[in-house]
Amino acid sequence: DAGVTQSPTHLIKTRGQQVTLRCSPKSGHDTVSWYQQALGQGPQFIFQYYEEEERQRGNFPDRFSGHQYPNYSSELNVNALLLGDSALYLCASSQSNYEQYFGPGTRLTVT
Amino acid sequence: GIQVEQSPPDLILQEGANSTLRCNFSDSVNNLQWFHQNPWGQLINLFYIPSGTKQNGRLSATTVATERYSLLYISSSQTTDSGVYFCAVWYSSASKIIFGSGTRLSIRP
Repeated sequence: DAGVTQSPTHLIKTRGQQVTLRCSPKSGHDTVSWYQQALGQGPQFIFQYYEEEERQRGNFPDRFSGHQYPNYSSELNVNALLLGDSALYLCASSQSNYEQYFGPGTRLTVT
Repeated sequence: GIQVEQSPPDLILQEGANSTLRCNFSDSVNNLQWFHQNPWGQLINLFYIPSGTKQNGRLSATTVATERYSLLYISSSQTTDSGVYFCAVWYSSASKIIFGSGTRLSIRP
């Protein structure tokens, strides 16, 4: 049984560009949550998707958007990238709001 | 406001020592998890423990929801236990998941 997978592993973008990160949940999970982790800090909750709808959202601007597909996989889109968006982006999947399992993350560098 | 506080922020121990990590939260919670983040950034599930006590080998955890804290115990520490330990709390009142700032544990051989 494959766990949570994320792609790409690493990404380098320029300020002002747009980026899309992808996540495939663990088998049997229907909920995907996205987090941003800056260096030396704990993960910050961006938003959560369930049944293809954004169910909850943290304190992130509208530049951060997402999508969930019928097969429960999800995308995180960030527009108009800023230097401060450089971080490790983590995806977690769960069965509704129960125990979360994390993917290995995507490390985004904005130059 | 809603907070999750972990203590201590840093902990340095000799191999074989025991340790207790604490997580305080400011409101009633639906779920609480403990994670170990390895040097490559992977968050590894340790415990899903909204209440009660659980044990897994050398690790155990206790959550006292009515007093708003959780404890993670590590016994007979090994160098592979080094890393950052996070607790994460799901607050239904705020509809969000909040991580603590972590405890960085270093085990010396």
